[in-house]
Amino acid sequence: GNSVTQMEGPVTLSEEAFLTINCTYTATGYPSLFWYVQYPGEGLQLLLKATKADDKGSNKGFEATYRKETTSFHLEKGSVQVSDSAVYFCALSKSGNNRKLIWGLGTSLAVNP
Amino acid sequence: GAVVSQHPSRVICKSGTSVKIECRSLDFQATTMFWYRQFPKKSLMLMATSNEGSKATYEQGVEKDKFLINHASLTLSTLTVTSAHPEDSSFYICSARDGQGGNQPQHFGDGTRLSIL
Repeated sequence: GNSVTQMEGPVTLSEEAFLTINCTYTATGYPSLFWYVQYPGEGLQLLLKATKADDKGSNKGFEATYRKETTSFHLEKGSVQVSDSAVYFCALSKSGNNRKLIWGLGTSLAVNP
Repeated sequence: GAVVSQHPSRVICKSGTSVKIECRSLDFQATTMFWYRQFPKKSLMLMATSNEGSKATYEQGVEKDKFLINHASLTLSTLTVTSAHPEDSSFYICSARDGQGGNQPQHFGDGTRLSIL
């Protein structure tokens, strides 16, 4: 079946460090891939998305490239800030079945000044 | 961008009370809305998928008589936790998808923190 696997956290970085959060998926066909972010005490916000192979989603300095050959959608940012501290969720969506989101378990990121 | 408003943001009530949570899409029509439950430091658990004008589809293990979902219009879905008990305390989040076609993402409300005493 369809599934999403994220690297386990928590991840703790110093400000301006490079961030990578790994995400791999299992799915048939061509799912759409998403990264959502949840700041403390808040709901989820769409961070970026990619709908086909080799697409790169980007937003707020974050990037992720849809790699079909490695079934991956790793999240990266060149220089993190304290305000990036949050939980990041990788998810995929397939056509049909109301296109429910299949979620990873989330990776908590803490950025220290 | 698309905005989803969820209300109330926090509820504290006594055991046995029924609690209604509203989810509204403010600037788009949402034919499909989703209700999630999130436990502390855990991922989201999909409870049910709500389609406007029809019965909600519940995920396995979710009691439909306990969690009543109504999606009466293209901009409003409600989740009612009936006769709530302390074990129902959780963070409930709704989402709505903009349109039926393509690969539109889900847009999330800010969540409702439910605490049952």
